[in-house]
Amino acid sequence: NAGVMQNPRHLVRRRGQEARLRCSPMKGHSHVYWYRQLPEEGLKFMVYLQKENIIDESGMPKERFSAEFPKEGPSILRIQQVVRGDSAAYFCASSPGQGLANEKLFFGSGTQLSVL
Amino acid sequence: GIQVEQSPPDLILQEGANSTLRCNFSDSVNNLQWFHQNPWGQLINLFYIPSGTKQNGRLSATTVATERYSLLYISSSQTTDSGVYFCAVVMILTGGGNKLTFGTGTQLKVEL
Repeated sequence: NAGVMQNPRHLVRRRGQEARLRCSPMKGHSHVYWYRQLPEEGLKFMVYLQKENIIDESGMPKERFSAEFPKEGPSILRIQQVVRGDSAAYFCASSPGQGLANEKLFFGSGTQLSVL
Repeated sequence: GIQVEQSPPDLILQEGANSTLRCNFSDSVNNLQWFHQNPWGQLINLFYIPSGTKQNGRLSATTVATERYSLLYISSSQTTDSGVYFCAVVMILTGGGNKLTFGTGTQLKVEL
């Protein structure tokens, strides 16, 4: 039973390019979360998605960042026109989405984005 | 929003020593998790502990929800315990789902 899979593990982009980060949740999980970890800091919530719906994006920067979780395929976090300040580790987590008050979140290994 | 603070920020131990890490939070929460982030960046779930005490091998955790703090105990530390320890409080999002707010972390280094 594979865990949460993220790819690529490392991504290098030049300023102004686009970055696409992919996350495949655990089998049977329908809820996906994205978190960002800046150097020397804890993880910060970005967005919460269910299949084909963005439920809460209160942690997403207002510009250049978008996320989707299509009916088929992985969740994608997209960063347009990257800047050096976007350099960070981006973690994806998933949960079963059974409506329980205290479902566990399972984290992937993260994608380390480096902007040159 | 809720504030989560951890102490100490940095800790160096000799192998075999014991330690206690603390997590304070500013408001009532639905649940609390402890994580270990290893030197390769992977996040490992340690405990899911809204209240009371749990033990897993050399690790144990206690949460006193009414006083808004949690403690992580590491006994007989080993070099493989090195890394960053995070606590994260769990809040239920409008529309379902759980949001984690992470603390500032404790950087632990265990030396031979």
